[in-house]
Amino acid sequence: GAVVSQHPSRVICKSGTSVKIECRSLDFQATTMFWYRQFPKQSLMLMATSNEGSKATYEQGVEKDKFLINHASLTLSTLTVTSAHPEDSSFYICSARQGDRAPYEQYFGPGTRLTVT
Amino acid sequence: DAKTTQPPSMDCAEGRAANLPCNHSTISGNEYVYWYRQIHSQGPQYIIHGLKNNETNEMASLIITEDRKSSTLILPHATLRDTAVYYCIVRVAQGAQKLVFGQGTRLTINP
Repeated sequence: GAVVSQHPSRVICKSGTSVKIECRSLDFQATTMFWYRQFPKQSLMLMATSNEGSKATYEQGVEKDKFLINHASLTLSTLTVTSAHPEDSSFYICSARQGDRAPYEQYFGPGTRLTVT
Repeated sequence: DAKTTQPPSMDCAEGRAANLPCNHSTISGNEYVYWYRQIHSQGPQYIIHGLKNNETNEMASLIITEDRKSSTLILPHATLRDTAVYYCIVRVAQGAQKLVFGQGTRLTINP
């Protein structure tokens, strides 16, 4: 199956700093990538959808100036958490859609655990 | 996209078949049924999907009722490594592309 990687797997940063998380599709080209956030014992919450070469579409309630998403190539999308605060501590997961035809199978990365101190 | 209803938790003995139900009574004719699972502290893993017909792959079988209002994911010989949260998601094949996760079923495989 298709492989999606994320880097780093874990990151600890101080409050007020910015953190960048990378998401790569390793063996396929992904025209669309998605970013999710998951708090402990909760389900995944979609944050934004990004298409290669265009601006990301954010879900309601997600601050686009705080969570900067760049999808510069067909294999790489980045999420930058700017001016991080302890409440941004969470498990961030990306996914990539393979193919241009239905049913648009979607594959997930292993996740990045962010801790803001 | 249609909403789904799953039991919050289930238990199954190791080696037995695990049958996970999902209700999607408002599913539309062009919506697929997807199953994903999430093992603790990992990203979700794709399992299987279907539209009308029953499907089988190396991981599981998907049984969709004739009226498509419900489905069952079957893990034929559950192992301890199948302990995870299983998500049933319905989504149109075209247009909206995002997967929206509900609460899923927490499946525990017992030795």
